[in-house]
Amino acid sequence: DAGITQSPRYKITETGRQVTLMCHQTWSHSYMFWYRQDLGHGLRLIYYSAAADITDKGEVPDGYVVSRSKTENFPLTLESATRSQTSVYFCASSESGWANYGYTFGSGTRLTVV
Amino acid sequence: RKEVEQDPGPFNVPEGATVAFNCTYSNSASQSFFWYRQDCRKEPKLLMSVYSSGNEDGRFTAQLNRASQYISLLIRDSKLSDSATYLCVVSLIKAAGNKLTFGGGTRVLVKP
Repeated sequence: DAGITQSPRYKITETGRQVTLMCHQTWSHSYMFWYRQDLGHGLRLIYYSAAADITDKGEVPDGYVVSRSKTENFPLTLESATRSQTSVYFCASSESGWANYGYTFGSGTRLTVV
Repeated sequence: RKEVEQDPGPFNVPEGATVAFNCTYSNSASQSFFWYRQDCRKEPKLLMSVYSSGNEDGRFTAQLNRASQYISLLIRDSKLSDSATYLCVVSLIKAAGNKLTFGGGTRVLVKP
């Protein structure tokens, strides 16, 4: 089905483990984004990508790594998970770089680090 | 100071009433403005863009005041289904591409 999908929907991991959150979109949108949402902070940008092999840091990139070898995929890796990374993670994509069409978000991944 | 600030609410609204709330942004160079809606434990969804001259989409009216750096959302004839968190979003276009900055959201509860 067309759209933007995230996996897994829920994940519990232990402190210090590496975990990868997946994001896949079928529209061939150039721009993709990773946000985290926490109470009291709203949505904060972690990383974004303007095209395959082009990524850039957002507001809160520390502890995260991204890659974008294919236009449709934008995985987010927590290299060594910490409890402060417990959050809801949203992936989004955009048709253009001008935000005129807004972003389309995936359903989110709820990550708990214990 | 946060780039985008909103009253978190909640705004308790009787069904059928009108509710309005604002959002302020700090960067005068912000260029695009949006309202998103987020239902509990769901992803944000674009509600409407906000244009300089103000715009309506059914029962929803958005206004932009660049001089005072705020945008507003008005909901007329509130429905129970309007209960949600409304996110104010601004965009600042930079050389590496635009990014959206989200406010913390205003929670609206429409009650019978």
